[in-house]
Amino acid sequence: GQSLEQPSEVTAVEGAIVQINCTYQTSGFYGLSWYQQHDGGAPTFLSYNGLDGLEETGRFSSFLSRSDSYGYLLLQELQMKDSASYFCAVAFSSGSARQLTFGSGTQLTVLP
Amino acid sequence: NAGVTQTPKFQVLKTGQSMTLQCAQDMNHEYMSWYRQDPGMGLRLIHYSVGAGITDQGEVPNGYNVSRSTTEDFPLRLLLAAPSQTSVYFCASSLMGSVTDTQYFGPGTRLTVL
Repeated sequence: GQSLEQPSEVTAVEGAIVQINCTYQTSGFYGLSWYQQHDGGAPTFLSYNGLDGLEETGRFSSFLSRSDSYGYLLLQELQMKDSASYFCAVAFSSGSARQLTFGSGTQLTVLP
Repeated sequence: NAGVTQTPKFQVLKTGQSMTLQCAQDMNHEYMSWYRQDPGMGLRLIHYSVGAGITDQGEVPNGYNVSRSTTEDFPLRLLLAAPSQTSVYFCASSLMGSVTDTQYFGPGTRLTVL
């Protein structure tokens, strides 16, 4: 089976930096993705790591260590609009295609 | 492009009723999937399809049926609705062979079973 762990809540102030960690146990691992979901909305793709190291996209960066089964999402220069839930998801091989298993999500609250 | 569309947005059913949640995408994506999201939880995969005529079970398939007769459409059928199926249902699509497996989600259907 697949399992992921991430913190349930994180709080930070506007302008700060926050890191959301994700650890996983997965067979047939391909990569680690991050999705953002605002209240009541559809999840949207943020980033993907297939190889070890850091991927940077604007204010967001994501890191993966395959040997440690660990990754994180780093959000810099936090803005109020970053208040949302953030999900890590592992891509793995199963059945006729790759599948995604999502973590339970981290609720980020950005305070003024 | 409309992306991924889902209907209805909201639905209330009584226990034992059946219904179909509709999902369509206009991006010519081969891969389509259905997830359910319960309060405070992540998304759990119900069924998925890698192309027309091919479907497979995900993590929580019991109580749901799917079919894929066209590339564009992937309906989800609830056979005998139960209160445990109260949830938000998201349909998603992606391009097969994409390195990032980026899933494009629809806006969701909020289902309540009484």
